[in-house]
Amino acid sequence: DQQVKQNSPSLSVQEGRISILNCDYTNSMFDYFLWYKKYPAEGPTFLISISSIKDKNEDGRFTVFLNKSAKHLSLHIVPSQPGDSAVYFCAASGNDMRFGAGTRLTVKP
Amino acid sequence: DAGVIQSPRHEVTEMGQEVTLRCKPISGHDYLFWYRQTMMQGLELLVYFNNKAVMDDSGMPKDRFSAKMPNASFSTLKIQPSEPRDSAVYFCASNQKGRNYGYTFGSGTRLTVV
Repeated sequence: DQQVKQNSPSLSVQEGRISILNCDYTNSMFDYFLWYKKYPAEGPTFLISISSIKDKNEDGRFTVFLNKSAKHLSLHIVPSQPGDSAVYFCAASGNDMRFGAGTRLTVKP
Repeated sequence: DAGVIQSPRHEVTEMGQEVTLRCKPISGHDYLFWYRQTMMQGLELLVYFNNKAVMDDSGMPKDRFSAKMPNASFSTLKIQPSEPRDSAVYFCASNQKGRNYGYTFGSGTRLTVV
């Protein structure tokens, strides 16, 4: 049962442009959402989070948007840099924590 | 702070053999989580501990998997007997606040069962 879905397995963006990673969830009981970044041969690294009482949270080049009515969240990276190339996992928590399958972002120089 | 430490980094074993994965959480972190990453399912929670006690092991196949945390600085995940479908990357993670907050992950153990 995939309660958290990242429908795009991969995304390619030019350096300096905006990267938009999307995530959908089905469980309305989720009240906290997180994004993790993962480089090859390393564990995921916590990136940014948002509570369900907010619709936006910003941290430097990273902004997470939450649309509760659509059960959708997105991560915006502006401007994108080659070092941002990694797999990005969306996670949602409520009674438990669920992760999406990940989106591989490639930022081309 | 050395972060969450997992061993071994890679493990190749034959079907039917016992496999033990090890984890040392960050000092002071009361919560420890074991996750499995597969291509199809992404990251799945197998089991997590709070203050060394199992809080939720509903994601763990209990007929062959067992998890222990004998002290605050060490945990093991054992698979006996191992099967090819257990091949995956196993991550250990820890934090201070619980399962609904950001984790610090280890580098993972890549398990291959042939």
